Amino acid sequence: EIVLTQSPGTLSLSPGERATLSCRTSQSVSNNYLAWYQQKPGQAPRLLIYGISNRATGIPDRFSGSGSGTDFTLNISRLEPEDFAEYYCQQYDNSRVTFGQGTKLEIK
Amino acid sequence: QVQLVQSGAEVKKPGASVKVSCRASRYTFTSYAINWVRQAPGQRLEWIGWIIPDNGNTKTSQNFQGRLTISSDTSANTAYMELSGLRAEDTAVYYCARGWSYFEYWGQGTLVTVSS
Repeated sequence: EIVLTQSPGTLSLSPGERATLSCRTSQSVSNNYLAWYQQKPGQAPRLLIYGISNRATGIPDRFSGSGSGTDFTLNISRLEPEDFAEYYCQQYDNSRVTFGQGTKLEIK
Repeated sequence: QVQLVQSGAEVKKPGASVKVSCRASRYTFTSYAINWVRQAPGQRLEWIGWIIPDNGNTKTSQNFQGRLTISSDTSANTAYMELSGLRAEDTAVYYCARGWSYFEYWGQGTLVTVSS
């Protein structure tokens, strides 16, 4: 099973700042099967990025994904108040799915 | 707009079973896998398994060996997740989600509480 490790655990920033979230996988991700989700309390996760760098429908362009191999990044260029939430990375390999432990993005 | 509507909250005693449903609408049910994901209080998302409604093929996480049954009814556009031998640590919100390698559409979640 591929293990996903996200860092930092908590990120404290102010609106307008840039956020950089990291996701490291224990094995190389195949076929670019790496996605990012945003989750707010009491809500289902929301797909942000799929295939490492493709924005999902309706996702603002301040969200971007990058990376390759075992190191991946979610960037949020200018934080809006609604961006403060939990973020998870997810991979798909050999018909199985795993998620990272999450990064909490909080207002400083 | 694609919709996945799940059944309501459940309270179960240890050792019991629970069956959660996920009714899909506004797309061709047999064209996409349905995945099940759970989230215990304050914990990360945990993938449980998936089913391909078109042929009934399933794949489940090794963490649930022998306790989990995923099924679907194509005539009702509904997928099901049944977990038996419930333990306190199975208390979680259970989600269904549509997709293969990523999940664009999610159900609203079903809270399953296991308590004596």
